[in-house]
Formats: sequence, C-alpha cells, structure tokens
Amino acid sequence: GESVGLHLPTLSVQEGDNSIINCAYSNSASDYFIWYKQESGKGPQFIIDIRSNMDKRQGQRVTVLLNKTVKHLSLQIAATQPGDSAVYFCAGHIVLKIQGAQKLVFGQGTRLTINP
Amino acid sequence: NAGVTQTPKFRILKIGQSMTLQCAQDMNHNYMYWYRQDPGMGLKLIYYSVGAGITDKGEVPNGYNVSRSTTEDFPLRLELAAPSQTSVYFCASSYSGGRYTDTQYFGPGTRLTVL
Repeated sequence: GESVGLHLPTLSVQEGDNSIINCAYSNSASDYFIWYKQESGKGPQFIIDIRSNMDKRQGQRVTVLLNKTVKHLSLQIAATQPGDSAVYFCAGHIVLKIQGAQKLVFGQGTRLTINP
Repeated sequence: NAGVTQTPKFRILKIGQSMTLQCAQDMNHNYMYWYRQDPGMGLKLIYYSVGAGITDKGEVPNGYNVSRSTTEDFPLRLELAAPSQTSVYFCASSYSGGRYTDTQYFGPGTRLTVL
C-alpha cells in the first residue's frame, strides 16, 4: 500500500538558522506532493507543492526538493522565525475511484520548535 | 470568502449518541473531503464527494455516513458514537480534482470526545 512517513517526530533549531524537514514515501504512483503546516488548534495550511516531473520548487523562504530515485522529499525553511513553529506534514496524492478525486496520504508530522 | 467552515469546534458525546458535524465552503469547490486526525498522527480520509449527490468511502468509513445535497455543504454523521471515534475531524475542499491543481483547503477542525 501507499505510505508517507517523516524521518523525525521533532526538530529544534535556533532562530535565524535554516530548517530541513525530511519525508519518505513508498508509492511510486504518487505524482504530486504537498507540504502542510499545522499550528496548534488549526487545520493544515498549504505551504508548497511539487509535481513528480520537477526536482525542486521554491517559494518565499521555503524550498521543496524531490528525489524520485530514493522516494524522498525535503522541506527547507530559510532563516527560521518563531512563527514557523508548528507541525509540518508531507502528503502525497493518490487518485481515488470517482472522477479523478484524490486523497492525501499524510506522514505523521514533524514538530518544529524554534529556540530564541 | 470565509473558506471552509466547520461547526461545532468542540463536542463531547456519550457512547451510543449521534451527531452531525457540519462543513461548508464558499469557494464553489466541487470536491469535498472528511479526514480524521488521531493524536500524533497524520490525517486519514473518511469520505469524499465529487459533487452534489456523489459520495464514496475513504480509508476509514466505518461508523460514519455522509450526504451531499448542495455544492456548499458536506455534513458528516456519526450514528452510534464509540470511544474509538474520539479524534479531531477536518473537512477539506478543492476545485477540480485535476491532477496537478487539486490543492485541498482545510477547515479549522472539530474536536470530538466520546466518553
């Protein structure tokens, strides 16, 4: 079956440093991946996505890298700020039965803590 | 736009009680989803819908029912609440289901405890 997993349940970084959060997936059929940020008491918030025909995508302070050979994703956050404290999930898209609907297969999440 | 809204935010049920979790979106999205999130875990799909009148089961549908009579609303029904249904429930919606454009937007969640 499909699975998406994160390497570390927690990550602590100093404010201003770069953060790297890793994720592995098992299903080669996943061709679209998303990183979500979830703050306490809130729903997941979209950060950045990447298609399987790309190996890198950049947003504002965030970069996602995709290595299809080893089925690995990473999220890099530059100059980490206190507001970046949250749980980060990677998710892969799996196509469902009806009319191209897709479900997200989530990893367990990495809790990012920023030290002042 | 309010985006995806969910009510209630919190609820405590006794074993065997029933309730409906409400979800609405005002983005004219045709696809809607219900997920549950257990402590320390990622989200698992319960049910989804691709439009009014069309729904299907996800990974963990047992104990739940859904209906979709309008584009905007996608309620989730728990018929005989069990402690195993204690979880946080998230509703999500997306526009087309198209392969590369199907970003799902999430509501704030309903925290349900069954005692």
